[in-house]
Amino acid sequence: SQQGEEDPQALSIQEGENATMNCSYKTSINNLQWYRQNSGRGLVHLILIRSNEREKHSGRLRVTLDTSKKSSSLLITASRAADTASYFCATDRTDKLIFGTGTRLQVFP
Amino acid sequence: DAGVIQSPRHEVTEMGQEVTLRCKPISGHDYLFWYRQTMMRGLELLIYFNNNVPIDDSGMPEDRFSAKMPNASFSTLKIQPSEPRDSAVYFCASSLGGRNQPQHFGDGTRLSIL
Repeated sequence: SQQGEEDPQALSIQEGENATMNCSYKTSINNLQWYRQNSGRGLVHLILIRSNEREKHSGRLRVTLDTSKKSSSLLITASRAADTASYFCATDRTDKLIFGTGTRLQVFP
Repeated sequence: DAGVIQSPRHEVTEMGQEVTLRCKPISGHDYLFWYRQTMMRGLELLIYFNNNVPIDDSGMPEDRFSAKMPNASFSTLKIQPSEPRDSAVYFCASSLGGRNQPQHFGDGTRLSIL
C-alpha cells in the first residue's frame, strides 16, 4: 500500500513562479526523501530530510517536514521549463522506501 | 562516474517468451533494488539485495518472476513465461550504506508483452 500521497496530482505554472508540492504519510518515519523523474528517465534523488529536521534547503529547493501532521512539502522557487517533471516523495518504513503517487509539474516558458 | 546501467532500454516480445532484464549498479554500492512502474500501481518494489544476497522478495508478483545477483556488479530480473500484464517500465536502483539511503536509478527497461 502507498505510504506517501502527493498533492496536487498535477500542477501547471509559468516560468519564474514558485511550485509547491505536498506529501502526506501514515506511519512514523526516520527520514523522507524527494525524487524527480523526467519523462522516459529514472528517478533522481533531490533531498533527504530526517525526522528530527524541520526544514532543509538545496539550491532552489526547500523542503519542510511536520512530523506531528505527518506531512512534508517541496517548494521549487523561480521555476524553469527544465523543472518540468514528476516529483515523488518516499518514506522509509522498517526495511524499505515506499514511494508516493507523484505530482506532475509542468512549467511553461 | 557511471550511473546505474540497465539493458535493454526497450523490449517487445510475445506472450509466453522468456524475458531477461539486466542491471549494473554503481561500483561500491551494497544495495540493489528492482522496481516496476505502471500508471495504475505506481512504483512498486519487487526485490532487493544486500551484498548480493536477496533480502526481501515479497514484492515479486508470481513465481514467474525471479532475480539473481551473481556478483556485486551484475543483476538480472527474469520473467518466464511472460504475460501481457507484465508490461511496464522496470527500474534497477542501487544505494550505499543502507536500504533507506538515497537510491540511484537507472533509466529503466520499457517492457511490452504482446
